Amino acid sequence: EVQLVESGGGVVRPGGSLRLSCTVSGFTFDDNGVNWVRQAPGKGLEWVSGFNWNDGPNAYADSVKGRFTISRDKARNALYLQMNSLRDEDTAFYYCARAGLASLDSWFDSWGQGTLVTVSS
Amino acid sequence: SYDLTQPLSVSVALGQTARITCGGDKIGIKNVHWYQQKPGQAPLLVIYRNNNRPSGIPERFSGSNSGNTATLTISRAQVGDEADYYCQVWDSRTLFGGGTKVTVL
Repeated sequence: EVQLVESGGGVVRPGGSLRLSCTVSGFTFDDNGVNWVRQAPGKGLEWVSGFNWNDGPNAYADSVKGRFTISRDKARNALYLQMNSLRDEDTAFYYCARAGLASLDSWFDSWGQGTLVTVSS
Repeated sequence: SYDLTQPLSVSVALGQTARITCGGDKIGIKNVHWYQQKPGQAPLLVIYRNNNRPSGIPERFSGSNSGNTATLTISRAQVGDEADYYCQVWDSRTLFGGGTKVTVL
């Protein structure tokens, strides 16, 4: 059974940092990509970042480029999102989502339940 | 930048057909994917690559894509289909439409 479990959310002050984790099971990073997607309370989905399985540059939304960094630990079956210089507008549920392909250009066929990040002073 | 346009809401009578559109410049040459999201839940993939249904998704859900509009069609709408629906494409990065709230009357 495919599972993705996010952790690491919480309350942080503007300008602060947080690292999210996504632990996966039921598939391997060799066969499927994993991305981060967020959703501000009451708003729509916003793609955040995708890990490039082809060893090329990772992909980021313009809204987080230069502040967020995606990384992977294959041995731990984990994907991470390091979030720095956090802003109020980063407040959202953060989902990790499995891509149907080992490619940035893909659909997302399995999702975690999300972890809430609240940026507030 | 590439924009995806969805109607804010669509209403459909119980048992009738709902059509949710996703507009974008020459979207017909892209692969479009659709997600259903119910309150308090993670999104669920209902259509991928324009017209393919994942395992477990009812045949009542179908998709099409041509020209400047992709469409998700829900036939014989049920109360359980009430949800937000999002389209998604790749254009040098992943993009989601703004979402459409479907109400079954």
